[in-house]
Amino acid sequence: GQNIDQPTEMTATEGAIVQINCTYQTSGFNGLFWYQQHAGEAPTFLSYNVLDGLEEKGRFSSFLSRSKGYSYLLLKELQMKDSASYLCAAMDSNYQLIWGAGTKLIIKP
Amino acid sequence: GAVVSQHPSWVICKSGTSVKIECRSLDFQATTMFWYRQFPKQSLMLMATSNEGSKATYEQGVEKDKFLINHASLTLSTLTVTSAHPEDSSFYICSATELAGGPNEQFFGPGTRLTVL
Repeated sequence: GQNIDQPTEMTATEGAIVQINCTYQTSGFNGLFWYQQHAGEAPTFLSYNVLDGLEEKGRFSSFLSRSKGYSYLLLKELQMKDSASYLCAAMDSNYQLIWGAGTKLIIKP
Repeated sequence: GAVVSQHPSWVICKSGTSVKIECRSLDFQATTMFWYRQFPKQSLMLMATSNEGSKATYEQGVEKDKFLINHASLTLSTLTVTSAHPEDSSFYICSATELAGGPNEQFFGPGTRLTVL
């Protein structure tokens, strides 16, 4: 079956760095998405990886290892506004997104 | 960037009534639109995928006669929750992609919070 695993909740300190991991099992693979979702709001796109390696975009970076079925989202210089849920979603062979349950990130001053 | 709107943002209705939610792509033509449901502290659950001019494809366990989806144009899709009950109370979110198939980014609407009394 298809499955996405990511931690339920993580806590980090303002100004620090946090890494949110995601492992996936899908029927075929057409890329890995990360979305940010603040409480009561719709998700917003953060990154898309389809090739192995690290993609950097400002304070956020995303990494993919296709052979390991693994991705992580790295957030640097954490700010209070980064408190949100981070959703990992893998796209299968039918270009359908398989969503993880999300990681709630709590930032403490 | 691409913008997707939803209307209404929130709605409260009585049990047994029907509710229609609209999803519009404002600055692009959405070949494919998706409807999701999200319960508190849970992830997005895909309900159905619709392509303009054709019938929606529903996910397993989603009643197509209860959740009517119409994708009549390249900029508008509607979800009608028929004979709503309290267990249908949820956050409904639509998303849209410009191109059919492919690893395309989904642009999300702001969501509609439905409360059924």
